[in-house]
Amino acid sequence: DIQMTQSPSSLSASVGDRVTITCRASQSISSYLNWYQQKPGKAPKLLIYAASSLQSGVPSRFSGSGSGTDFTLTISSLQPEDFATYYCQQSYSTPTTFGQGTRLEIK
Amino acid sequence: EVQLVESGGGLVQPGGSLRLSCAASGFTFSSYWMSWVRQAPGKGLEWVANIKQDGSEKYYVDSVKGRFTISRDNAKNSLYLQMNSLRAEDTAVYYCARELRLGYGDYVVWYFDLWGRGTLVTVSS
Repeated sequence: DIQMTQSPSSLSASVGDRVTITCRASQSISSYLNWYQQKPGKAPKLLIYAASSLQSGVPSRFSGSGSGTDFTLTISSLQPEDFATYYCQQSYSTPTTFGQGTRLEIK
Repeated sequence: EVQLVESGGGLVQPGGSLRLSCAASGFTFSSYWMSWVRQAPGKGLEWVANIKQDGSEKYYVDSVKGRFTISRDNAKNSLYLQMNSLRAEDTAVYYCARELRLGYGDYVVWYFDLWGRGTLVTVSS
């Protein structure tokens, strides 16, 4: 199985900050990488698919990049509603696997 | 409205069984691969199983193989997860999720684009 490792596991930031979350795959997954946002008690919400494609309706302050084994999710200017947990997911091979999550907290 | 609604969760003793259901509405259910994804309390997301549009292909995470069975009824727009021989480590919120698959030339990109609210399964004596 492909292991996905996110860093950091948690992050404190302020409104307006630029934030980057990293996801590393245990083997090359080309661009088969998706990002989700999850708020407490809610289902995950798709943000980015295929490493860099923005899901419809998602604000443009979210962006994704990378290919192969290293990927990043960037939030250009944090808004209050962005404080949540973020997960990466590889869809390169079965079983699909998720990173352990990055909890983004208010500083 | 496009939505997925899970049901069937609850408290069950170790070794027991439970059947989860997911009712789909607002879209052509029979056109999509569907998955179950779970999340243990305070933990991350774990994919459990998925099933092809016509039910001809099914895949499972190793930890549930031989114990869980995924199925669907396209006439009823419903997805199911039969869970047998339940263990404490199966305790989680179980989400039903739709897989959207896009073709890009020679390869297919896919992701979970629609999720239900989840149903809690607790395995405890």
